[in-house]
Amino acid sequence: DGGITQSPKYLFRKEGQNVTLSCEQNLNHDAMYWYRQDPGQGLRLIYYSQIVNDFQKGDIAEGYSVSREKKESFPLTVTSAQKNPTAFYLCASSSGQRVPLSEKLFFGSGTQLSVL
Amino acid sequence: DAKTTQPPSMDCAEGRAANLPCNHSTISGNEYVYWYRQIHSQGPQYIIHGLKNNETNEMASLIITEDRKSSTLILPHATLRDTAVYYCIVRVRSPRNAGNNRKLIWGLGTSLAVNP
Repeated sequence: DGGITQSPKYLFRKEGQNVTLSCEQNLNHDAMYWYRQDPGQGLRLIYYSQIVNDFQKGDIAEGYSVSREKKESFPLTVTSAQKNPTAFYLCASSSGQRVPLSEKLFFGSGTQLSVL
Repeated sequence: DAKTTQPPSMDCAEGRAANLPCNHSTISGNEYVYWYRQIHSQGPQYIIHGLKNNETNEMASLIITEDRKSSTLILPHATLRDTAVYYCIVRVRSPRNAGNNRKLIWGLGTSLAVNP
């Protein structure tokens, strides 16, 4: 089935450690996104990529890094510079370059990151 | 900025219609309204979107007022599996993102509980 796969489902980070969250899609979508969700808050955009080898910062990019070497893959690295990384991380993709298709998002099942 | 206002929670009896309101009084003329839902610990799921006309698909109906300042998502026959947080979201201009001056704003949504 086509969709977005995020892994792992749960991840634990030690102090000073970088961790990478995986996001793979087989929907042939051009655009991919990373969101962070905290309890009591709405989704916040971390990074997005509209095409391979290009990505843009969202609202809360500090302490995070991404790469987009392949159309299917958009991994997110949570670096040691992110002082409050505990959150639910969601990856999404969209097919179109223009609204409304560009804002019809398909989400993965999420990764819960916690700090040890 | 165009933002949305939704009641924090609602209840609905199983088998009855669930009507979820959303206020978006500052929406611009060319901005779509999108509805998503999120079941606990999963990624959000796209439901429907609209611009001016009412829309219907296999999941729900979207009623948009003539002045476009509010809309209602209708689940015609709610089931227990419809228990989720429902998000009504619109696009907002973001001056910080050069070359991509729009983003979706995710609020806290409406937590819908469908009761047996």
